[in-house]
Amino acid sequence: RKEVEQDPGPFNVPEGATVAFNCTYSNSASQSFFWYRQDCRKEPKLLMSVYSSGNEDGRFTAQLNRASQYISLLIRDSKLSDSATYLCVVNIGANDMRFGAGTRLTVKP
Amino acid sequence: NAGVTQTPKFRILKIGQSMTLQCTQDMNHNYMYWYRQDPGMGLKLIYYSVGAGITDKGEVPNGYNVSRSTTEDFPLRLELAAPSQTSVYFCASSYPGTNQPQHFGDGTRLSIL
Repeated sequence: RKEVEQDPGPFNVPEGATVAFNCTYSNSASQSFFWYRQDCRKEPKLLMSVYSSGNEDGRFTAQLNRASQYISLLIRDSKLSDSATYLCVVNIGANDMRFGAGTRLTVKP
Repeated sequence: NAGVTQTPKFRILKIGQSMTLQCTQDMNHNYMYWYRQDPGMGLKLIYYSVGAGITDKGEVPNGYNVSRSTTEDFPLRLELAAPSQTSVYFCASSYPGTNQPQHFGDGTRLSIL
């Protein structure tokens, strides 16, 4: 089993749609969790950290379920500029980050 | 602030050649990292450093070496390039702490032919 698993997609959605991505992780001792965004042929950039109580940043909502070892990202009112690959990232300790392979999103007019 | 700067951006090597990928950061981050990303795959940690003079292996260290003589610089060395090392290499840095996100350079695209 991969340490961090994501549905690779692609997810093709119209502008204005709501889309959700899921991620599971295998290491129960994982300490912190993040969503990064990666545009084609660019570096990953932090989208948001994921907190145990769930957190929201504008149109983006992240949830963490430690019992199920599951993380989600919800994007509301999708924009064309949201088209990217979304990386689920898990810190398993001592700044050892494990990256999922990413979920590709395309938002269409 | 330049953030994390990587050079070169692109390079083609022949099998058996060696080269150094440069990485420097101006955010005074203690921690620095090298990753590789193969097509359709997640980033894999090659080496990391928690401060000047301290380095440690990540998931995929074979075929690479690093040094950390200053807080700012963290070069990655390939001694005998192999086709399997064709990849995109990212350098990153962060403050200490498990909740600290990493900040990435814009990558070096390396092809070994």
